[in-house]
Amino acid sequence: KQEVTQIPAALSVPEGENLVLNCSFTDSAIYNLQWFRQDPGKGLTSLLLIQSSQREQTSGRLNASLDKSSGRSTLYIAASQPGDSATYLCAVLLYGQNFVFGPGTRLSVLP
Amino acid sequence: NAGVTQTPKFRVLKTGQSMTLLCAQDMNHEYMYWYRQDPGMGLRLIHYSVGEGTTAKGEVPDGYNVSRLKKQNFLLGLESAAPSQTSVYFCASSYGQGKVQYFGAGTRLSVL
Repeated sequence: KQEVTQIPAALSVPEGENLVLNCSFTDSAIYNLQWFRQDPGKGLTSLLLIQSSQREQTSGRLNASLDKSSGRSTLYIAASQPGDSATYLCAVLLYGQNFVFGPGTRLSVLP
Repeated sequence: NAGVTQTPKFRVLKTGQSMTLLCAQDMNHEYMYWYRQDPGMGLRLIHYSVGEGTTAKGEVPDGYNVSRLKKQNFLLGLESAAPSQTSVYFCASSYGQGKVQYFGAGTRLSVL
């Protein structure tokens, strides 16, 4: 069974800092991986989706990388802003199955 | 441009009561999902549907039933609510398997 973990559980950084969020998964035979953002009391918003054949995806200040062999993905946020404060979740999809979500990393960017 | 709409937003039930959560999407998506989110556990899939008239069990289906009579709607039912079903419920939809999922704002359910 696919297990997805995210470390750290919570992170607090000053505004302007570059930061990395980590996602680890146990089964490397993935189809794709998706990063989401969740604001308090709200639903999830998809940020980036990486196919198994890709090494990374970029959107604005966000860059997600995928290393299937080591079972890891990272979400890099450049020049963090207070508006980036949210919980970030990764979700991993195996072939023929449904997404398995990690527990999330709660990010606070301090002004 | 509503996306995925969930009703109600909040609900309090007593043990043994029943209720139905409604999810509606206006993106003509084939796939729809119901998840529950509990503190520290991430999202867990309850049931899903790959098209109108179809349903399938997810990771935690016990105590829940679903129906997809119309493509745009996906209903989640609790026949006899239990305190263990206290959670935040999210509906999502996607164009197909493995595609980007679009989420509703959630329903916060408390079972006393």
